[in-house]
Amino acid sequence: DGGITQSPKYLFRKEGQNVTLSCEQNLNHDAMYWYRQDPGQGLRLIYYSQIVNDFQKGDIAEGYSVSREKKESFPLTVTSAQKNPTAFYLCASMTDGAEPNYGYTFGSGTRLTVV
Amino acid sequence: AQSVTQLDSHVSVSEGTPVLLRCNYSSSYSPSLFWYVQHPNKGLQLLLKYTSAATLVKGINGFEAEFKKSETSFHLTKPSAHMSDAAEYFCVVSAAGGTSYGKLTFGQGTILTVHP
Repeated sequence: DGGITQSPKYLFRKEGQNVTLSCEQNLNHDAMYWYRQDPGQGLRLIYYSQIVNDFQKGDIAEGYSVSREKKESFPLTVTSAQKNPTAFYLCASMTDGAEPNYGYTFGSGTRLTVV
Repeated sequence: AQSVTQLDSHVSVSEGTPVLLRCNYSSSYSPSLFWYVQHPNKGLQLLLKYTSAATLVKGINGFEAEFKKSETSFHLTKPSAHMSDAAEYFCVVSAAGGTSYGKLTFGQGTILTVHP
């Protein structure tokens, strides 16, 4: 079955460490997105990529980095510059940009906790 | 620019009674609108979407929503709540043009509690 796989499901990070969250999709979708979810704040866009080798900052990109070397993969690195990284991270993908109303597919999320 | 306001952070209903989750939006472009549901520690599942066709949209699990352009609203309803409907619901708008193409803007979420 096609879908989005996020790993790991739970991740613990020490202060000052960089960590990378994985997002893989086999839907052949062009666009991929990373969102951060905090209680009572909905989801906020971190980065997005509409094609391979191109990505754009979202609303809260500071302290994060991404790459899009393959269509299927859009990993997110949470750097030590992100001061409050504890959150639930969701990856999403979408079909060709000509159909933005087609709907988005979300992964099951990664819960990151700073210890 | 686009934004979404979910008017209630929490809604509590009894099983078998109607559900109403309210959502207002603003968008500089012709919007696409969605409702998603999220169960604890899970990803988001699409309930329904408005795609500039019929203004009354039917989704999964008996939910429906009506797009009212004059009121800039997209409220979610269900005639009879089930215990399994207890979850958090998000109203979402997607820009249909400009540099924000395809970006989603989420409401703050409404937590639905269903009592036996």
